[in-house]
Amino acid sequence: ETVMTQSPATLSVSPGDRAALFCRASQSIRNKLAWYQQRPGQAPRLLIYDTSTRATGIPARFTGSGSGTEFTLTISSLQSEDFAVYYCQEYANWPPGITFGPGTKVNIK
Amino acid sequence: EVQLVESGGGLVQPGGSLRLSCAASGFKFSSYGMSWVRQAPGKGLEWVSFISTSNIIYYGDSVKGRFTISRDNAETSLDLQMNSLRAEDTAVYYCARDWGGLIDFWGQGTLVTVSS
Repeated sequence: ETVMTQSPATLSVSPGDRAALFCRASQSIRNKLAWYQQRPGQAPRLLIYDTSTRATGIPARFTGSGSGTEFTLTISSLQSEDFAVYYCQEYANWPPGITFGPGTKVNIK
Repeated sequence: EVQLVESGGGLVQPGGSLRLSCAASGFKFSSYGMSWVRQAPGKGLEWVSFISTSNIIYYGDSVKGRFTISRDNAETSLDLQMNSLRAEDTAVYYCARDWGGLIDFWGQGTLVTVSS
């Protein structure tokens, strides 16, 4: 089973600043990595898949990068609606299952 | 527009049963795998179960033998029968469209509380 870790657990950022969120897999997952955003009281929303492809309707300020075991989600200029929890998820070992990271909470500084 | 609407959540005693349903619309339901993913209060996301277009089924270890996933392509619905419920099953349960392990659409979730 692939274990996913994320850092930092919490990130305090000022609006307009750049944020970098990190995700690590315990073994190579090639490029099979997705990022999700979850705002308070809402369901998760797909942001990025296959490491770097933005989902439909996702703004260009969200960029994914990495390969193998180390991945990064960069938000170039944080907007008020970007303050949320971000989860990474691997799907290299599907089927049977998928694994999520524990999440990074992005707070307003 | 893709829509996934869950129902059936509620309060149930430990050892009890509950059946969740998900009504899907806005896409060709029979062409997609579907999953259930849950989130305990204040916690992260945990994959629960998957059913393919041809009814190949997988379960997470924590629910294997207790939960049963099923689908009805004619009704475009997804179900999750949950038996022998435990306190640790308390969570919001999300119905999700699953594209080869990638969850591209999520419902709004239904809360299941297991407590005496």
